Amino acid sequence: DAGITQSPRHKVTETGTPVTLRCHQTENHRYMYWYRQDPGHGLRLIHYSYGVKDTDKGEVSDGYSVSRSKTEDFLLTLESATSSQTSVYFCAIRDSFTEAFFGQGTRLTVV
Amino acid sequence: GENVEQHPSTLSVQEGDSAVIKCTYSDSASNYFPWYKQELGKRPQLIIDIRSNVGEKKDQRIAVTLNKTAKHFSLHITETQPEDSAVYFCARGNKLVFGAGTILRVKS
Repeated sequence: DAGITQSPRHKVTETGTPVTLRCHQTENHRYMYWYRQDPGHGLRLIHYSYGVKDTDKGEVSDGYSVSRSKTEDFLLTLESATSSQTSVYFCAIRDSFTEAFFGQGTRLTVV
Repeated sequence: GENVEQHPSTLSVQEGDSAVIKCTYSDSASNYFPWYKQELGKRPQLIIDIRSNVGEKKDQRIAVTLNKTAKHFSLHITETQPEDSAVYFCARGNKLVFGAGTILRVKS
């Protein structure tokens, strides 16, 4: 599984509550990414990181924040979850000259 | 300037025929172009990638071509098989911006 783990794998939460998804890697890869996947929209980049404490916004970053305080962990936080954030979230890791490896995904339902 | 346009959105071919999926981009600084395959309920997995110093790359039945001048790159699958049925995504750059995907159906 290329040393990448997402947690939790499934979560149901209520509108307005904060939610944090975790991506953990054991590969010491530099780049880490968070995507959301919705039918008809493919994989849309939320945020990405190119090193510890170095992050940047993707195309759908509104309502999301990220944290990368150490190489192995990249956290995605929904400060106040909304129903529009119901989605499947994928984390990916990559190094400068390697392919990107994806985690197994987290299915988030906001009710 | 970050988007990647991918076409077609769906593609149906007869087993044994070829399939071609095309992506266009606008960021001329991009130098890395991977293609991913995602089967139903699974994570995306790399099938082939190409860097900007190469115009074409092949791996058995799969090939990718890159035209940096025209800013487009294409995935070619020859002798398609039912197990090639999946969603295919192109992407570009270190930021890994993805296209919207192509649903490929191979009919036997």
